[in-house]
Amino acid sequence: DQQVKQNSPSLSVQEGRISILNCDYTNSMFDYFLWYKKYPAEGPTFLISISSIKDKNEDGRFTVFLNKSAKHLSLHIVPSQPGDSAVYFCAASGVNFNKFYFGSGTKLNVKP
Amino acid sequence: EPEVTQTPSHQVTQMGQEVILRCVPISNHLYFYWYRQILGQKVEFLVSFYNNEISEKSEIFDDQFSVERPDGSNFTLKIRSTKLEDSAMYFCASRATAAGINQPQHFGDGTRLSIL
Repeated sequence: DQQVKQNSPSLSVQEGRISILNCDYTNSMFDYFLWYKKYPAEGPTFLISISSIKDKNEDGRFTVFLNKSAKHLSLHIVPSQPGDSAVYFCAASGVNFNKFYFGSGTKLNVKP
Repeated sequence: EPEVTQTPSHQVTQMGQEVILRCVPISNHLYFYWYRQILGQKVEFLVSFYNNEISEKSEIFDDQFSVERPDGSNFTLKIRSTKLEDSAMYFCASRATAAGINQPQHFGDGTRLSIL
């Protein structure tokens, strides 16, 4: 079941620079997209989401972009901070929210 | 901030034994979910639960699995006869509203299940 894909297992960025995490999906019926952050030994923590009717949503240092024609979303973190170092998962759901599909995660390392 | 709590944090069980994983969702939430993550793999959906019944389940959620909301606060996942391949991190999540309104899931910190 590869409906949500994160093709980069890891990303390393210098503190203060922009981090861009990418996610692709295959199901055109997905209606709601989310990004989660996960530290070791903890559960995923919700970061930001976007509905399919929008192409951008911003919350502080975090911005999610959605390109429906390309079935692609991305998470921008600017400026990146060492505390942002974690595994980031994208997730997607259809309109009924009964099931959320997760990508395999991208491990972000922000270097001081 | 309200949070989802899961107990125990680590469960070690002999193969073939029954195990019950417990979750207390956020109090005003209506949708409940179980996911698992095998070491090094992605987070996989198991089951969703709404209005005291299963909304959807994955192919992983076979007859060995069951869920229950025995009272107004707990949400449990039972595995009747555990197998070695059930070893994983199990996450409970809850969500505030019914379908049609975009609300995220909130996750607990998980129960690490180790089958010997």
